[in-house]
Amino acid sequence: ETGVTQSPTHLIKTRGQQVTLRCSSQSGHNTVSWYQQALGQGPQFIFQYYREEENGRGNFPPRFSGLQFPNYSSELNVNALELDDSALYLCASSLGYGTDTQYFGPGTRLTVL
Amino acid sequence: GESVGLHLPTLSVQEGDNSIINCAYSNSASDYFIWYKQESGKGPQFIIDIRSNMDKRQGQRVTVLLNKTVKHLSLQIAATQPGDSAVYFCAEILNTGGFKTIFGAGTRLFVKA
Repeated sequence: ETGVTQSPTHLIKTRGQQVTLRCSSQSGHNTVSWYQQALGQGPQFIFQYYREEENGRGNFPPRFSGLQFPNYSSELNVNALELDDSALYLCASSLGYGTDTQYFGPGTRLTVL
Repeated sequence: GESVGLHLPTLSVQEGDNSIINCAYSNSASDYFIWYKQESGKGPQFIIDIRSNMDKRQGQRVTVLLNKTVKHLSLQIAATQPGDSAVYFCAEILNTGGFKTIFGAGTRLFVKA
């Protein structure tokens, strides 16, 4: 196991609602990255946080936002959910950023109806 | 554009044979590449990485080859075992004022006993 945990495991929401997904990084890891993985596809980078500040962002709209806390936990918030937001959401923690090895959690499966 | 693609979506090999999984990337500015393995219900797991100043890197039963001229990566698995059955992703890390990891679509490897 990677030592990275995510909650909840599964979640069902309806279109237009808001959702918060949580991740607990390995202790001492200053960087967390979030990814969206649609069924049958590779993970798509959403954003990365390093020491509580955003350190990189992929091609996702502003309704995807995040927070990183000093206790190595983090959140992914998605507002105004759309059907296409249905996916597996993965977080990954690393000691630093750049090329440091990322350790992935098992993901949260979000279904938007 | 930002994309990392794979030539073969599925690969079926006999136990004990060698496997080769290929990947094409489009960002010549990338200087770091990673292969991940993802088993059902789990997040991606780091297998091996390579920097752009290298052509080849070997790990335990795995070898990654990088051909920058044609922007091609390959993962070779020696003596493939049933436990190697999974989806394999190549990924590149871009530094564009912030770091982001770009994953390919994945190749599913089936190992026949």
